[in-house]
This record gives sequence, C-alpha cells and structure tokens, in this order.
Amino acid sequence: GAGVSQTPSNKVTEKGKYVELRCDPISGHTALYWYRQSLGQGPEFLIYFQGTGAADDSGLPNDRFFAVRPEGSVSTLKIQRTERGDSAVYLCASSPGPQDNEQFFGPGTRLTVL
Amino acid sequence: AQSVTQPDIHITVSEGASLELRCNYSYGATPYLFWYVQSPGQGLQLLLKYFSGDTLVQGIKGFEAEFKRSQSSFNLRKPSVHWSDAAEYFCAVGGGGGSYIPTFGRGTSLIVHP
Repeated sequence: GAGVSQTPSNKVTEKGKYVELRCDPISGHTALYWYRQSLGQGPEFLIYFQGTGAADDSGLPNDRFFAVRPEGSVSTLKIQRTERGDSAVYLCASSPGPQDNEQFFGPGTRLTVL
Repeated sequence: AQSVTQPDIHITVSEGASLELRCNYSYGATPYLFWYVQSPGQGLQLLLKYFSGDTLVQGIKGFEAEFKRSQSSFNLRKPSVHWSDAAEYFCAVGGGGGSYIPTFGRGTSLIVHP
C-alpha cells in the first residue's frame, strides 16, 4: 500500500513569507507526528496528533509554527513569517495508534528560506 | 529528560567487513530503543526496536542490536556490510505514555568502500 507522502518535496521561500507543508499519512493511521531535521542532526520532534487533536505540541519552537489535522487524516504544518533559521527538512510520520511504537516516515519536505 | 548519544559522526568500513555503530542513551526507566536508517532523499526506515525481553534484537537487512542496561547502550551490528548499507543511521529512545515520542541521536554516517 501507499506510504506516507509529503508535498511539496522542496520549497524555497523568502524571509517573512508564509508556507504550508502537507502530510498524507498511511490510510487508517490515527497517530501523526511532525519532526524537523537540520543538517547533520537527527529529527527533532515538533507536534503529535492523535486523531484530529494535537496531543502534544511541546516541540513547536514558537508561535509562528502551527499544525492542523481537521479530519484526522491529512495534516498541514504552517509556518508564518519564515526566518532563515527555519530552513530544514520537515518530516512527517504516522503510526496505527498511540500505543504503537513503530512510526512510518515520509520522505520529507526540504524548506529553504532565503 | 531522555537523550541519545551517537559518538561517531562518520564510520568507514570495507565491503564485507563487520560493522558496529554505537549508541548510548539516558532514560529514567526501561527505555524503548530504536534504530532507523535514512538513505539520501528517503524517509527514515525502522531497522529494529527493543521494548522488553531478549536483549539481542534481530532486525531487517541482517542487522541486530544488543541492549545492555549496565552500559546504557544499544549498539547496532552487522556481520558483513554491503555497499547498499551506506546511509545515515539514527538511534532513538522513547518511553511510556500515550505518544511514545522518540528522541533521536544526531546520526552516524556509514561509508562503505568497495
């Protein structure tokens, strides 16, 4: 079956602009995670959804970052007033449920802020 | 707070040689431990995981890892490396609770010489 997909694969934007990154989880997976991976680093947790609600958003760096999952499937990560330091690969992962420990990762969106 | 240390940024081996990638963790209770592999332009793929039971865990692609509580380690091993194993390897630690959000190490880049 289809894995986790993320669009776009690459996004180049200018400082101060608004961007949206999309994640399509594996069908039926109720848990969805967003991570940010900077060059030479491991993935850093941003936010976790169980169904439609954000169960844990403790990793969001500031209020410029926001994510939604209105129907419990597709999720959108939104970044306002982008800064050069936001440049990174944004990874999405899903898992069948909150008690399942295996996360399935998408290929990521590479965000470059000029 | 949980944390992971991967002391080797790069490891170079010859094809056919054995491999050991080091991972040390910090966690207050019995940890859930993971190894992921990331090839260029790809999402992270789970190689293996440890939750409880046998401390020697077998994974995909011929990899295994051993949980050593006394050393707080979860090193990844493979007896004979193939050129296709060249990738970035991430160790992660997670715990209980509803979300099982893992903390990742910074990764070890494996280079395979022919």
